[in-house]
Amino acid sequence: EPEVTQTPSHQVTQMGQEVILRCVPISNHLYFYWYRQILGQKVEFLVSFYNNEISEKSEIFDDQFSVERPDGSNFTLKIRSTKLEDSAMYFCASSGGELFFGEGSRLTVL
Amino acid sequence: AQSVTQPDIHITVSEGASLELRCNYSYGATPYLFWYVQSPGQGLQLLLKYFSGDTLVQGIKGFEAEFKRSQSSFNLRKPSVHWSDAAEYFCAVALSGGYNKLIFGAGTRLAVHP
Repeated sequence: EPEVTQTPSHQVTQMGQEVILRCVPISNHLYFYWYRQILGQKVEFLVSFYNNEISEKSEIFDDQFSVERPDGSNFTLKIRSTKLEDSAMYFCASSGGELFFGEGSRLTVL
Repeated sequence: AQSVTQPDIHITVSEGASLELRCNYSYGATPYLFWYVQSPGQGLQLLLKYFSGDTLVQGIKGFEAEFKRSQSSFNLRKPSVHWSDAAEYFCAVALSGGYNKLIFGAGTRLAVHP
């Protein structure tokens, strides 16, 4: 069964550092998403991406965040100058009709 | 603003008992409705979805859900729970375009007693 893969599974970083979370969507999918789940809270939409540009973003997705599809296969989420409150599980998802989620990247900011 | 409410934060049932997890949404039109399951440390797995048509939808793992427009509800049910069903369950809605921008409820954590 096709799957969305995410790396790293867990990253620990110091506050103020930059983090890049990577995702490999399912190969024939055209829509890509990032969601975030702070521990104990609901899953929140961050951003959707289609045709090499952001199609929608939430109010959470401010200038600290950026997304990129650098090579036609990877889909990355960059978080600049991380803050303690960025600690969360970040889920990548892709869709070609049905939405598939990756297993998440847990980010811990110290 | 659109929202999804799962009134039960934590539910415990005995193995073999029936299960109903509640979900209510707030939205002017009929949204696209989903139930996802998340096992500890895992990603989100789609159990079932409702886009249109028959209001009783069947999903994987023996789950079903019923869309009731008059109650703005999409409750998840299973007639006989198995210990492996212990997980967190999320109801979600998409406001347009199928899967674009899911709005999730806070989740219901299910514990199963042997």
